[in-house]
Amino acid sequence: GESVGLHLPTLSVQEGDNSIINCAYSNSASDYFIWYKQESGKGPQFIIDIRSNMDKRQGQRVTVLLNKTVKHLSLQIAATQPGDSAVYFCAENRNNNDMRFGAGTRLTVKP
Amino acid sequence: DGGITQSPKYLFRKEGQNVTLSCEQNLNHDAMYWYRQDPGQGLRLIYYSQIVNDFQKGDIAEGYSVSREKKESFPLTVTSAQKNPTAFYLCASSATRQAHLHFGNGTRLTVT
Repeated sequence: GESVGLHLPTLSVQEGDNSIINCAYSNSASDYFIWYKQESGKGPQFIIDIRSNMDKRQGQRVTVLLNKTVKHLSLQIAATQPGDSAVYFCAENRNNNDMRFGAGTRLTVKP
Repeated sequence: DGGITQSPKYLFRKEGQNVTLSCEQNLNHDAMYWYRQDPGQGLRLIYYSQIVNDFQKGDIAEGYSVSREKKESFPLTVTSAQKNPTAFYLCASSATRQAHLHFGNGTRLTVT
């Protein structure tokens, strides 16, 4: 079964609000986690990553939080814009470059 | 520009035929991957390769085959044994173990 999963399949937010997308993983040996954004008809694009020796990492308007105790990963998007509308996937890197993805969350930004 | 090229973007085949999807990268990455994506679902790993002439099965390898004769190329063959081949296929590569994947824009395969 899936070792990486998401709590909510869809998320709708108002433009300008902050968005939080959650992800649960079950493989305690995973040591590297990534968030991707996928627009319709395209391949996923890298957003931000975090290694297991960290619990927070910030990028431009995005923050990833890692809670190893409960095996939980989240992506925070500040001041969400219409261009942020997409499907967001978390992924975990197990050993030997084995990269597994969750089911994804569709983010819709309302004007 | 460096990147992953998948071709063709759309592919149509009759049931019972084998079909090969192309994936080429000019990023000089060692690792390459094939994923399958069904509507409204996540990415499921078919095969991955860490180095030339070596590859490992993912979760759904049955009915698929790959080869890795060159570093820059990782073609995927969807055989007639694959029971539900219609899907969106994504190829990716990565530089090292703890590095994110670079994806192509996919091939949408329809088998009728």
